[in-house]
Amino acid sequence: GEDVEQSLFLSVREGDSSVINCTYTDSSSTYLYWYKQEPGAGLQLLTYIFSNMDMKQDQRLTVLLNKKDKHLSLRIADTQTGDSAIYFCAETSRGSGTYKYIFGTGTRLKVLA
Amino acid sequence: KAGVTQTPRYLIKTRGQQVTLSCSPISGHRSVSWYQQTPGQGLQFLFEYFSETQRNKGNFPGRFSGRQFSNSRSEMNVSTLELGDSALYLCASSLAWGGRSYTDTQYFGPGTRLTVL
Repeated sequence: GEDVEQSLFLSVREGDSSVINCTYTDSSSTYLYWYKQEPGAGLQLLTYIFSNMDMKQDQRLTVLLNKKDKHLSLRIADTQTGDSAIYFCAETSRGSGTYKYIFGTGTRLKVLA
Repeated sequence: KAGVTQTPRYLIKTRGQQVTLSCSPISGHRSVSWYQQTPGQGLQFLFEYFSETQRNKGNFPGRFSGRQFSNSRSEMNVSTLELGDSALYLCASSLAWGGRSYTDTQYFGPGTRLTVL
C-alpha cells in the first residue's frame, strides 16, 4: 500500500523537545520531507533528508532516518508556542513508471505554555 | 523571490456549477502539482504537470482536470461541483520532476478554499 503513517496528536510543554514520528512505505524513496501547516495556510517546507543519510540537523530541527525500519522522525528542540501546527511527512514514491509525493496523515502538535 | 501564488483564495459555489483555480509557480519552476485537502481524507494528490504535459494523475473522477501553460502557470477545473468537493486546494511547484534530485522538492502556495453549497 501507499500509506504513510503518523500519530494524529502530540502535546508538549513549552521548552520541552517534541518528537514526531512517521513510517513510510517505499524503500526506494530518494528524499523524505517534513512540512508544517499552520491554520488556514499552505504547507511550509521545514526540511528534507536524502535517503543515504541517517541524520540531518538544522537549527532546532533534527531529522532521523532508519531505512531498515522505514522510520522517519522529526525532533524539535526547545519547542515554542509558535511551533503549534500540523506536521506532515512525505515520501517520494516511484511506481507504475512514474513518481509522486505521498503525504502522511499529519500530526497535530499542541504546545502548552 | 516570490513564492507560489494561488487565486482566488476563497470561493463559494453551488452544486452543479464549475470552477477554475489558478496557480503561479515560483519563477523558474517548471513542475506544478495539485492536491485536495479535506479533514476526512487528508492530502490527496490530484495531478502533476511538467513542461505543459500531465506526468501523473491521482484517483479523482474526470470532473477534475488541469492544464499548464507555456509560462508554467497552471489551472485546475472542476465541473459539475458536488458538496464533497468542498476542500482546500493546494498547488505546489518544483524546479524539476522525477524524484531523483533535491530539485524536485515541492513548495506550496497558500491554497484556495472552495466551499460548495
